[in-house]
Parts: sequence; C-alpha cells; structure tokens
Amino acid sequence: EAQVTQNPRYLITVTGKKLTVTCSQNMNHEYMSWYRQDPGLGLRQIYYSMNVEVTDKGDVPEGYKVSRKEKRNFPLILESPSPNQTSLYFCASSLRGSRGAGVSYEQYFGPGTRLTVT
Amino acid sequence: AQSVAQPEDQVNVAEGNPLTVKCTYSVSGNPYLFWYVQYPNRGLQFLLKYITGDNLVKGSYGFEAEFNKSQTSFHLKKPSALVSDSSLYFCAVRPTGGFKTIFGAGTRLFVKA
Repeated sequence: EAQVTQNPRYLITVTGKKLTVTCSQNMNHEYMSWYRQDPGLGLRQIYYSMNVEVTDKGDVPEGYKVSRKEKRNFPLILESPSPNQTSLYFCASSLRGSRGAGVSYEQYFGPGTRLTVT
Repeated sequence: AQSVAQPEDQVNVAEGNPLTVKCTYSVSGNPYLFWYVQYPNRGLQFLLKYITGDNLVKGSYGFEAEFNKSQTSFHLKKPSALVSDSSLYFCAVRPTGGFKTIFGAGTRLFVKA
C-alpha cells in the first residue's frame, strides 16, 4: 500500500529536550515536506526537500532542522523544543516533475504527529 | 506577500443542496491550485487540482472546482451535498516553477440531513 508514515503519532515532551519525528514514504517520491497545523492558521510549510541532500526553508523554519540522506526518509528535528512548537505536524510527499516546472503533482500526507511541549 | 484566503471559516448546507467553498489567492504568475480534505484524526487527502487548460476541473467524490484567472479564485463546488461531505477543506497554491506550498486557513463544511 502506498503510504506516508510518521512516528510517533503522539508525543508529550518538556522544553529543551531534543526530539525527532520520523517520516517515511514508499512511493519513490522525490519531493517531501513538513507542515505544522495550528487552529485558524491552516497548514504552514516548515521545510521541504526536492531530492536527496537538497532541502530548503519553508515559511516557518525557525527552531526546526531536517535532513534528507535517503530518498524515502525525511526526519524533522527539534533541537530545543519550546511551548510555541506545540502543534499538529504533517509530513507529505509527491513526485517532483521536470526541472523548471516546479511541483505540479498532488501531495500524499502522513497521519500527523501531535506534539505537546510543556 | 503570497497568500491564500478562504473567507469562510464555516459553510452550512442542507443535504441535497449545492455547496460552494471559496478560495482566492494572491500569487504571481500562473500557479498550480489544489483542494484537499481533512477527515478527523487523519492527514489531508487530495481532491482535485488545476494545472492548465479547462477552467472547470473535476475530482474525487463528485467535487469540482472552477478556476477564474481574472478574479484569482478557485472555488470548490458540488452539485448535491452529502452528510458524509462534512469535513475540513483546504485550498493550496504552488507558484509555477516553485517548490513552496501555501495553504489557506481551512473551511469547515457542515452538511445537515
């Protein structure tokens, strides 16, 4: 089954304790992305990756890190979490498309990770 | 600044009636436009997209959307709403040639039996 998986699904942690949320896709997609969802704000893009070893900032990258060492995995790292990072996080993937055309393909989303930082 | 607006936080419609969920955008060029639906405790699911061509695009579950370039709008429509359509709907935009995605704040649709 084609899918995007995220772990953990729920996480409660304390301020400053480093954590990693894993994301994996089995569709051989080049493009992967992380979003956070907050009430009234919709989804905001944190980071995205166009391919292995190629990442770039989205609209809200502060306090987050990512890496793309393998095509299927795109972990999200919070080195020193703070309460304002309490949110619902989604990983997504899609085909990338031809160079210069951008990404015209729809994204496949993981089930989400609900993070609470106290 | 590039943005996507979903002007209605909530849309209420009776089952069997047509529904419209509005989306307008402020993005330069000719962007790619998408609609997604989010069911409770689940990730987003793709409904439909506009890339180029016919302004009326059809998607999953009987939904369609109309692209209007002059009004920079991409409204989601369905001729006859079902109670099971009740959910949270997001409009999303990608600038042509770009890799970022901009989402609207979402519109909650309630379909009453």
